[in-house]
Amino acid sequence: AQKVTQAQTEISVVEKEDVTLDCVYETRDTTYYLFWYKQPPSGELVFLIRRNSFDEQNEISGRYSWNFQKSTSSFNFTITASQVVDSAVYFCALSEAYSGAGSYQLTFGKGTKLSVIP
Amino acid sequence: KAGVTQTPRYLIKTRGQQVTLSCSPISGHRSVSWYQQTPGQGLQFLFEYFSETQRNKGNFPGRFSGRQFSNSRSEMNVSTLELGDSALYLCASSLEGLRNSPLHFGNGTRLTVT
Repeated sequence: AQKVTQAQTEISVVEKEDVTLDCVYETRDTTYYLFWYKQPPSGELVFLIRRNSFDEQNEISGRYSWNFQKSTSSFNFTITASQVVDSAVYFCALSEAYSGAGSYQLTFGKGTKLSVIP
Repeated sequence: KAGVTQTPRYLIKTRGQQVTLSCSPISGHRSVSWYQQTPGQGLQFLFEYFSETQRNKGNFPGRFSGRQFSNSRSEMNVSTLELGDSALYLCASSLEGLRNSPLHFGNGTRLTVT
């Protein structure tokens, strides 16, 4: 089973529409971190947000908002009033303890390719 | 502040050869981690170095190795290249490590194995 599942492989929306990217994770760790990264066509991954497992507050940053729900192991990302510049591949990632002894691993979802059509 | 720099941008190698990729982190960042990105497997974590010590390791064979120097620059080596090693290799640096710090990625090295 995948530890981080982004079920939507590709999404297309028309500019100004709202869009939600889903992320479901699986972990036995009680303390873990979740991240979202954006990879535009230029290729360089850009950090968007970090959330730790104890902080279930939703967050809004401009047109971006994130909904973290431990009960459903989900960390969804919504873009409001999408723009063409939002076109990119978006990755959700989970950082969790791995085989004890202070080791951690970072697992990325397969990514969701978002295309915003003008 | 300069970003993460990876060299070279492109590499073409033959099966069986070895290759070394280089990564210069953002100044002040002591953690450098490496990732393999392919269309089929997506982004996969290779390993992380922090203050010259390998701190975390992904699920890759021993042909993949790395090291970090005292100035935090890191190199990744792949020996006995296989066709399946063709990928975009990304390096990222962070202040405290991949556990909980945002990662700053380089543009990657595109490796093609023929």
